[in-house]
Amino acid sequence: QVQLVQSGAEVKKPGASVKVSCKVSGYTLTELSMHWVRQAPGKGPEWMGGFDPEDGETIYAQKFQGRVTMTEDTSTDTAYMELSSLRSEDTAVYYCATGLASVVETTQRKHYWGQGTLVTVSS
Amino acid sequence: DIQLTQSPSFLSASVGDRVTITCRASQGIRSYLAWYQQKPGKAPKLLIYAASTLQSGVPSRFSGSGSGTEFTLTISSLQPEDFATYYCQQLNSYPLTFGGGTKVEIK
Repeated sequence: QVQLVQSGAEVKKPGASVKVSCKVSGYTLTELSMHWVRQAPGKGPEWMGGFDPEDGETIYAQKFQGRVTMTEDTSTDTAYMELSSLRSEDTAVYYCATGLASVVETTQRKHYWGQGTLVTVSS
Repeated sequence: DIQLTQSPSFLSASVGDRVTITCRASQGIRSYLAWYQQKPGKAPKLLIYAASTLQSGVPSRFSGSGSGTEFTLTISSLQPEDFATYYCQQLNSYPLTFGGGTKVEIK
């Protein structure tokens, strides 16, 4: 049974940082390409960045460059997404997800989403 | 960035209706398109990938077609559990992008 289990909801003040975790079970992190997607209230999903296995590097959406850092701890199969300089517009549900950028990975049954983590930014 | 435009943004339909949702890409994306269903408070669920391949476990009333810049998701006979919001997503190139969504509600 493959699962992506995310950390709990966070409330942050403007200017602070938040770090969301995503624990993988059923696969090792090295077998997956992890991505992060956020969804503001009432809006559609927005891709923030993820691992490109062809380049072996993490790619960030231009919008978040300089503010987001995605890391992985392969010893615990846990991925992390840290977003800094938070503002009210960053209030959203943040998801980790695998297989988003690869038909091959989806064919290999490696397409999964975490349950989401609500991050609220409010003074 | 590749823009995905979904239409309609809102759709009112009855159980048993045939429903079609369109997704247009701002430039060609070959067949690198996925369709998702999302219900309130839940993560998106993959329905279709590679434009027309049904994800394992998804009912056969869902189908996808298209390539290049125009794609469709069809639900052949709408069921009560299908009332949700649907999104397309392109994986042709980075940044990955999603359509604006189509909310399917009960008439």
